[in-house]
Amino acid sequence: GAVVSQHPSRVICKSGTSVKIECRSLDFQATTMFWYRQFPKQSLMLMATSNEGSKATYEQGVEKDKFLINHASLTLSTLTVTSAHPEDSSFYICSATGLYGYTFGSGTRLTVV
Amino acid sequence: QKEVEQDPGPLSVPEGAIVSLNCTYSNSAFQYFMWYRQYSRKGPELLMYTYSSGNKEDGRFTAQVDKSSKYISLFIRDSQPSDSATYLCAMSPISGGANSKLTFGKGITLSVRP
Repeated sequence: GAVVSQHPSRVICKSGTSVKIECRSLDFQATTMFWYRQFPKQSLMLMATSNEGSKATYEQGVEKDKFLINHASLTLSTLTVTSAHPEDSSFYICSATGLYGYTFGSGTRLTVV
Repeated sequence: QKEVEQDPGPLSVPEGAIVSLNCTYSNSAFQYFMWYRQYSRKGPELLMYTYSSGNKEDGRFTAQVDKSSKYISLFIRDSQPSDSATYLCAMSPISGGANSKLTFGKGITLSVRP
């Protein structure tokens, strides 16, 4: 089956620094990847749709200059949280669509101190 | 009205019970329906993936879709403590591509007591 690898699984950073999260499709090509944010005991909130070779499409209310998305190849998408603040602390999850439908990464827990 | 409504829970059942999880939706364009299981601090894991109306069975899991009523269900037979997790329904109008973003229910936390 399809596997999506997401790294790191957990990161703690200081306020004002930037953090990069990687999402890789290991055994299939993903022209489209999605980035979600999840708060405790809440459902997944779509942040943006990442398309290989083109600009990402952001959902309403998501700051594209703060959450930079790069989808440079068919197997890799990255989300960079720039100038992170404590309110950016959350669980970030990527997913990719392929032959097997939607496959999710294992998530990244970001804590900004 | 939210596009996808899911019973809020939490839900606690004894081991061996039959569990019924449900979602309703308002967007008639949804064609693809999924159920995900999410353990604490992990990414969602796909359990069932169905297209349009009908039933689909996989082991102890059965997914039902009734498009006329805009209602989907997931049944878990012979529930086990390892089934304890949060279950999310999700749906999309198309499969694959940039316009196939999923709309999720809020999720329900299931606890199966030994």
